[in-house]
Amino acid sequence: GENVEQHPSTLSVQEGDSAVIKCTYSDSASNYFPWYKQELGKGPQLIIDIRSNVGEKKDQRIAVTLNKTAKHFSLHITETQPEDSAVYFCAASRGNTPLVFGKGTRLSVIA
Amino acid sequence: DTGVSQNPRHKITKRGQNVTFRCDPISEHNRLYWYRQTLGQGPEFLTYFQNEAQLEKSRLLSDRFSAERPKGSFSTLEIQRTEQGDSAMYLCASSLSAATDTQYFGPGTRLTVL
Repeated sequence: GENVEQHPSTLSVQEGDSAVIKCTYSDSASNYFPWYKQELGKGPQLIIDIRSNVGEKKDQRIAVTLNKTAKHFSLHITETQPEDSAVYFCAASRGNTPLVFGKGTRLSVIA
Repeated sequence: DTGVSQNPRHKITKRGQNVTFRCDPISEHNRLYWYRQTLGQGPEFLTYFQNEAQLEKSRLLSDRFSAERPKGSFSTLEIQRTEQGDSAMYLCASSLSAATDTQYFGPGTRLTVL
């Protein structure tokens, strides 16, 4: 089955700097890659997703890149703000099937 | 609020008791997923439904766990004879249909087994 590895497990950045989180997946048939943000005591919130027919997607300060050949994808957050502090999860699936999640990255943005 | 809702938000029970959680998906969403999340880990898949049909169960779903979605709308997850290892956040997610892959999560039910 699918296995998703995520790193780093923790990341601290200064406010205004960029943050990058990387994930690798094992199942070459996976074609859907969402990123979720989870704040303390809340459920995961979808922030951006990418499908295997594109290599990059951007939404304001957030971007995701996908390298199908290497089977890895990354989340990029620019101009970080304190409210970006949270746990971020990557996930992979074959589309409309259960998601397989990474173990999460705790991002701390220091003002 | 038109998002996924879950009740109760918190449940404390004694070992050996039965508990039941409820999930109400986003209106008109046909797919409903249950995941479990333990501290410091990502969500892990338990089971999912297409309308009222249960399509897949994870090996994590022991015979003490049962899930239903009788009318294809809300779903319940029951855990019988709870164990301390069942302590976790139970998350529900929904997606519009079998043709869509975007899943929206509810706030979760945090279970503590004493």
